Amino acid sequence: EIIMAQSPATLAVSPGEGATLSCRASRAVSFNLAWYQQKPGQTPRLLIYGASTRATGVPDRFSGSGSGTDFTLTITSLQSEDFAVYYCQQYHTWPLAFGQGTKLEIK
Amino acid sequence: QVQMVQSGAEVKKPGASVRLSCTASGYTFSDYYIHWVRQAPGQGLEWVGLVNPGRGDTNYAQKFQDRVRLTSDTTTNTVYVEVSSLRSEDTAVYYCAGDIGPYDRTPGHWGQGSLVTVSS
Repeated sequence: EIIMAQSPATLAVSPGEGATLSCRASRAVSFNLAWYQQKPGQTPRLLIYGASTRATGVPDRFSGSGSGTDFTLTITSLQSEDFAVYYCQQYHTWPLAFGQGTKLEIK
Repeated sequence: QVQMVQSGAEVKKPGASVRLSCTASGYTFSDYYIHWVRQAPGQGLEWVGLVNPGRGDTNYAQKFQDRVRLTSDTTTNTVYVEVSSLRSEDTAVYYCAGDIGPYDRTPGHWGQGSLVTVSS
């Protein structure tokens, strides 16, 4: 079973600035890594799959990178609607596994 | 467009079972796996398992293997999750989600969630 670890747990950033979120897998997952955004009371939304491919309708200020065990989600020029919890998830092997989440909050 | 519509909220007593449904539309039902993910109050996302709707094949997270059963009905484009021997820790929103394709078996099209409350 692969364990996903995200850092930091909470990140405070001012609107207009950028943010970098990290995700590490306990074993290599190749490029089989997704990022999700979840706002309070809402369903998770797929942002990135294949480590770096934006899902349909996702703004280009969101970008993903990495392979193997270390991955990054970068958000440039944060908008008010971007403050949410972000989860990474590996789908290289079953069982799928989510990280514990990074809460991105307004500074 | 792809839609996943889930059944409503349930309240159950400890030890009981619950069965939730998820009806898919907007695509060929057998083409995409359907995942179940749950989220306890104030907690993160937890993968429960998946079903290949066309073949009925399933895969479960180890902690759910003994108490969860996933099934599919190709005549109604519906998948079901049944959780037995419910305990308070099973109180959560249960989401179904269709994956995004044969090369990326990750949840992409989410249902609205079904709240299960386990309380005596």
